Amino acid sequence: NAGVMQNPRHLVRRRGQEARLRCSPMKGHSHVYWYRQLPEEGLKFMVYLQKENIIDESGMPKERFSAEFPKEGPSILRIQQVVRGDSAAYFCASSPLRQGLTSGANVLTFGAGSRLTVL
Amino acid sequence: GEDVEQSLFLSVREGDSSVINCTYTDSSSTYLYWYKQEPGAGLQLLTYIFSNMDMKQDQRLTVLLNKKDKHLSLRIADTQTGDSAIYFCAERGGSQGNLIFGKGTKLSVKP
Repeated sequence: NAGVMQNPRHLVRRRGQEARLRCSPMKGHSHVYWYRQLPEEGLKFMVYLQKENIIDESGMPKERFSAEFPKEGPSILRIQQVVRGDSAAYFCASSPLRQGLTSGANVLTFGAGSRLTVL
Repeated sequence: GEDVEQSLFLSVREGDSSVINCTYTDSSSTYLYWYKQEPGAGLQLLTYIFSNMDMKQDQRLTVLLNKKDKHLSLRIADTQTGDSAIYFCAERGGSQGNLIFGKGTKLSVKP
């Protein structure tokens, strides 16, 4: 069981370029979550997806950020026209059940993160 | 809105007990979690507690929950240098039950 796989682990981009971060959930998990960790900060929720559906994107910036989880393949977090403030660690997590107040502990398993540096 | 607060730093000597504290605001939180993050790594779940429990023990870890004061603590007995890491408290909150994290407490263990 390979766990949650994220790549690339480190990504360097210049201002204005695009960043694509990939996440493969744990085997058997169909729910994916993206979190962002700014330097010296905790993790902030960005988006929650199931296959082919965005369930909750309340934490996503309104512009330049998008996420998808296609029927086949990994989930992708895409950041267009990156700026220095986008430099952060982006963590993906997965769970076997739908996140909700009555779904039990429904533990999230996190990947090792992708660290984006914008020059 | 929901908020989770933690002290930022804690330093202990090897062999002592560590107590990391956390306060949260969402009284409807059903589960509370402790995650550990080692340098350059992702988050590893340590333990969690259901909101109708006061205490949960798992080997060297003891979680105490005071629901009235919305206070959660993690006690690590016989702290080792390998326990040095950042510890995040998280509550299950929000309309979708998303995890809301504190900023993390950096635990330093001195030999």
